[in-house]
Amino acid sequence: KQEVTQIPAALSVPEGENLVLNCSFTDSAIYNLQWFRQDPGKGLTSLLLIQSSQREQTSGRLNASLDKSSGRSTLYIAASQPGDSATYLCAVVGRNYQLIWGAGTKLIIKP
Amino acid sequence: GAGVSQSPSNKVTEKGKDVELRCDPISGHTALYWYRQSLGQGLEFLIYFQGNSAPDKSGLPSDRFSAERTGGSVSTLTIQRTQQEDSAVYLCASSLAASGRGQETQYFGPGTRLLVL
Repeated sequence: KQEVTQIPAALSVPEGENLVLNCSFTDSAIYNLQWFRQDPGKGLTSLLLIQSSQREQTSGRLNASLDKSSGRSTLYIAASQPGDSATYLCAVVGRNYQLIWGAGTKLIIKP
Repeated sequence: GAGVSQSPSNKVTEKGKDVELRCDPISGHTALYWYRQSLGQGLEFLIYFQGNSAPDKSGLPSDRFSAERTGGSVSTLTIQRTQQEDSAVYLCASSLAASGRGQETQYFGPGTRLLVL
């Protein structure tokens, strides 16, 4: 059974710092891995999707990597801003195309 | 529409009553997914549709939960005889297709916050 773990559960850093969020999964037989952000009272926003054949994806200040063999993904956020404060969720697409979710990392960027 | 919409945004109901939650996917998206997020817990997969059929109903927590999709568009999630443990945010997502590759980005609606008293 696929399990997704995110570390740390919470992170607070000063504005401007670069930071890394970690995601690990137990079954390397995945179709893809997605990173989302969740803002209080709002829906989920997809940030990056890495297909199983890819090793990384970039969007603006975000870079996500995927190492299937070790069951790990990282989300790198450069030059963090207060607006980046949110909960970041990692999810893998497994059998039947459902997303298996991590518990999330709550990120606070202090001005 | 521009994104996935869900209604109602909030629903308060009494234990034992039935509720219907609605999801309007992005136009042209053939795959539709329902999830729920209970307080303090992670997101939980409930069911997904490819067109009007639901190949995977394994996530529905009990037979009080059912979902349908008509015309390959709007979907309704029905909870019968609601219980307090059904209180959660119910999220809907759509993607261009599940496609057999599972490589389509899922776009989420804002959710319906359900409170069962």
